[in-house]
Amino acid sequence: EPEVTQTPSHQVTQMGQEVILRCVPISNHLYFYWYRQILGQKVEFLVSFYNNEISEKSEIFDDQFSVERPDGSNFTLKIRSTKLEDSAMYFCASSELAALTETQYFGPGTRLLVL
Amino acid sequence: DQQVKQNSPSLSVQEGRISILNCDYTNSMFDYFLWYKKYPAEGPTFLISISSIKDKNEDGRFTVFLNKSAKHLSLHIVPSQPGDSAVYFCAASGAIQGGSEKLVFGKGMKLTVNP
Repeated sequence: EPEVTQTPSHQVTQMGQEVILRCVPISNHLYFYWYRQILGQKVEFLVSFYNNEISEKSEIFDDQFSVERPDGSNFTLKIRSTKLEDSAMYFCASSELAALTETQYFGPGTRLLVL
Repeated sequence: DQQVKQNSPSLSVQEGRISILNCDYTNSMFDYFLWYKKYPAEGPTFLISISSIKDKNEDGRFTVFLNKSAKHLSLHIVPSQPGDSAVYFCAASGAIQGGSEKLVFGKGMKLTVNP
């Protein structure tokens, strides 16, 4: 069964450093998303991406964050200068079609720890 | 700003009995609702969804009920199995009415099914 994959599974970084989280969405999916879950809190939407541009973003997704689809398979989230409060589990998700009721399928997550 | 609320943090049931997980929402623009299951160190796994034009959707042991007037949905699992033990998230989107495909999650409920 096709699945969303994410690398790395864990990332430890120093405050102020840049990190890139990578995702490979399901191959025929067209909508891509990033969510995060801070420990003990709920899963929060960060950004959605369709047709090579951001379609929606939350207030969390400030200028320190960017997303890119550098090739036909990868979808990346970059945090330019990490802060302690960026420590969280980051989930990538994808959905098949432009139909807005398409189910989003999640990857296993990357646990980011900022020291 | 809890637009999606799962007021009970945990539920414990005996194997073979029914598990009922509840979810309330406040935003009347939500029109598509999903349940995800999450094991530790894994991403949310899609279980079942329902759009606002329906009041019930069934898939095997899982049934989701939607009461739009009460802004309430519930997930019934019957019979419950030990493998169902996980954290369950209710999520909603305003995909159709609001044009937003982002998912808004509840805080989750930990279900334990005892053998």
